[in-house]
Amino acid sequence: SYELTQPPSVSVSPGQTARITCSGDALPKQYAYWYQQKPGQAPVLVIYKDNERPSGIPERFSGSNSGTTVTLTISGVQAEDEADYYCQSADSSGSSLFVFGTGTTVTVV
Amino acid sequence: EVQLVESGGTLVQPGGSLRLSCAASGFIFSSYWMHWVRQTPGKGLVWVSRINGDGRSTTYADSVKGRFTISRDNAKNILFLQMDTLRLEDTALYFCARGYYYGSGRLISYVDVWGKGTTVTVSS
Repeated sequence: SYELTQPPSVSVSPGQTARITCSGDALPKQYAYWYQQKPGQAPVLVIYKDNERPSGIPERFSGSNSGTTVTLTISGVQAEDEADYYCQSADSSGSSLFVFGTGTTVTVV
Repeated sequence: EVQLVESGGTLVQPGGSLRLSCAASGFIFSSYWMHWVRQTPGKGLVWVSRINGDGRSTTYADSVKGRFTISRDNAKNILFLQMDTLRLEDTALYFCARGYYYGSGRLISYVDVWGKGTTVTVSS
């Protein structure tokens, strides 16, 4: 089955830049999406179609796609950005299944 | 306000059945794909199933195919997940979510609104 691989954790100081990667063989052919999930809450979409921000999402969140790896960048990290982040995409087989990445915990230290 | 409210989660024995519901409001329900996603405590998100706006197209994760059935009642704005032959590993928080799915080649396939979830525990 298709997998999207993320680093388990990323630590960053307030005001610095956090970069979260997501790797998958089909990413050159499929869009990537990113979700933020804080403890005890439902996920929130922060990036869609590789690099577009939904309304209400701060400009410090951005996305990029470089072949088999996509990256979520949080510039000027704030304490409130501490959360789990999941990438999501589709595989390129005929089933076009909906796949989440393994998740990354961002800790603001 | 766009809102999704799940219900129906409870404790059930292995091999048993359960039906989850998701009440939608604040948007034209029949115009959207809808999804179920689950999350085991302390673990990641796992996609379960999706259904198109008129209910005629459904897709399932391999782990639930043949055991779970997704459906919808567009007259009442409710999404369902019928869960049969439940296993211990089906224990999770189940979210419903509103989604998009279109395009060819490079698909537009994601969810943009989530409910708070309902907890299913499979245990003897």
